[in-house]
Amino acid sequence: EVQLVQSGAEVKKPGESLKISCKGSGYTFTNYWIGWVRQMPGKGLEWMGIIYPGDSDTRYSPSFQGQVTIFADKSITTAYLQWSSLKASDSAMYYCARPAERSFLGAPGFQHWGQGTLVTVSS
Amino acid sequence: DIQMTQSPSSLSASVGDRVTITCRASQSISRFLNWYQQKPGKAPKLLIYAASSLQSGVPSSFSGSGSGTDFTLTISSLQSEDVATYYCQQNYIAPLTFGGGTKVEIK
Repeated sequence: EVQLVQSGAEVKKPGESLKISCKGSGYTFTNYWIGWVRQMPGKGLEWMGIIYPGDSDTRYSPSFQGQVTIFADKSITTAYLQWSSLKASDSAMYYCARPAERSFLGAPGFQHWGQGTLVTVSS
Repeated sequence: DIQMTQSPSSLSASVGDRVTITCRASQSISRFLNWYQQKPGKAPKLLIYAASSLQSGVPSSFSGSGSGTDFTLTISSLQSEDVATYYCQQNYIAPLTFGGGTKVEIK
């Protein structure tokens, strides 16, 4: 069974750094893209970017380019979303998601989702 | 970026009603359009992919149609368990983009 298990909720102060994780299991981790999606409180879904753990090919949405870093450690089948300096506006729920097939473009959607990681940034 | 516009942003309907949600892309995306259902406090769930293909395990009361720029998600007979927010998403070209969502409630 494919599973994506995300790290727990975080409470941080503005300016602090943070790394949240998404551990994949039940499939060959290096063969599938993993994407990250932001959902601010009471708002819709925003696609942040995606990584192919096999070769670390990473694509960012222009809205998030330079604001976050997506990377993966295939030795422990885990993808990460990292901030170097958090802002209050980074407070949101963050989901990782995996497409149904090896491609993420033209593929049958994101079939597998993590449970979400709530990030709260407050002074 | 391709902009995805959903309408309405919310709707209220009675149990058993037919419900239709539309999604329009700012440029042609062929049939690379997916629909997700998100219930409060839960992760999104894939309902429909490639505009009209029903994801395994999803009730047949859900259907999708469309191609090019205009797409529709239909719930043929609304049930209480369908209360959720529905999102369209294009995966034709990066960056992938979502519609703003349609919140469905029971009248």
